Amino acid sequence: GAGVSQSPSNKVTEKGKDVELRCDPISGHTALYWYRQSLGQGLEFLIYFQGNSAPDKSGLPSDRFSAERTGGSVSTLTIQRTQQEDSAVYLCASGREDYSTDTQYFGPGTRLTVL
Amino acid sequence: ILNVEQSPQSLHVQEGDSTNFTCSFPSSNFYALHWYRWETAKSPEALFVMTLNGDEKKKGRISATLNTKEGYSYLYIKGSQPEDSATYLCACTYNFNKFYFGSGTKLNVKP
Repeated sequence: GAGVSQSPSNKVTEKGKDVELRCDPISGHTALYWYRQSLGQGLEFLIYFQGNSAPDKSGLPSDRFSAERTGGSVSTLTIQRTQQEDSAVYLCASGREDYSTDTQYFGPGTRLTVL
Repeated sequence: ILNVEQSPQSLHVQEGDSTNFTCSFPSSNFYALHWYRWETAKSPEALFVMTLNGDEKKKGRISATLNTKEGYSYLYIKGSQPEDSATYLCACTYNFNKFYFGSGTKLNVKP
């Protein structure tokens, strides 16, 4: 079975442009998470989707960041008016319903560079 | 914000050495601890999940212990091999919906 996939794998953009990052979770996984890792930092939680519940957006660093999950499957993370501090590896992970004790399965990440 | 700390930040060992590193976390309302291995250019891969005080898990040469009362977990690698070179991440969950990750321990095993 396919794992979590993310696209693009690399994205270079200019400051001020908008970017969209895509995540395809494992089929049947109801939980989906977005994280980012800035250089030298740990994984920073961004947003969490669980089934049809309202997403937990508490980790989004500013209102320039938003995410959607359509049909309970594919998710898109959008960053508007990118800034250099947005440069990071953005990771998506999916899991089954009991997220707290269940494994998260990570995608390969999108490396975003904002010039 | 909950602080999950890992030490050391990086570690260099020779092939065949045994090694261990630490994950420290707030113990109040603790629910579960996860260890992941993150190899360069790959996705983080789950190693263990532990919930109970005194839990011990083992997978081949890698094992982990958990102390929920004092808030720490150890990851041990016996007889390190070059293929063990990776960043080892721990993450904790509490009684609300988030994983809190440490910044990782980067292990380099020299042949």
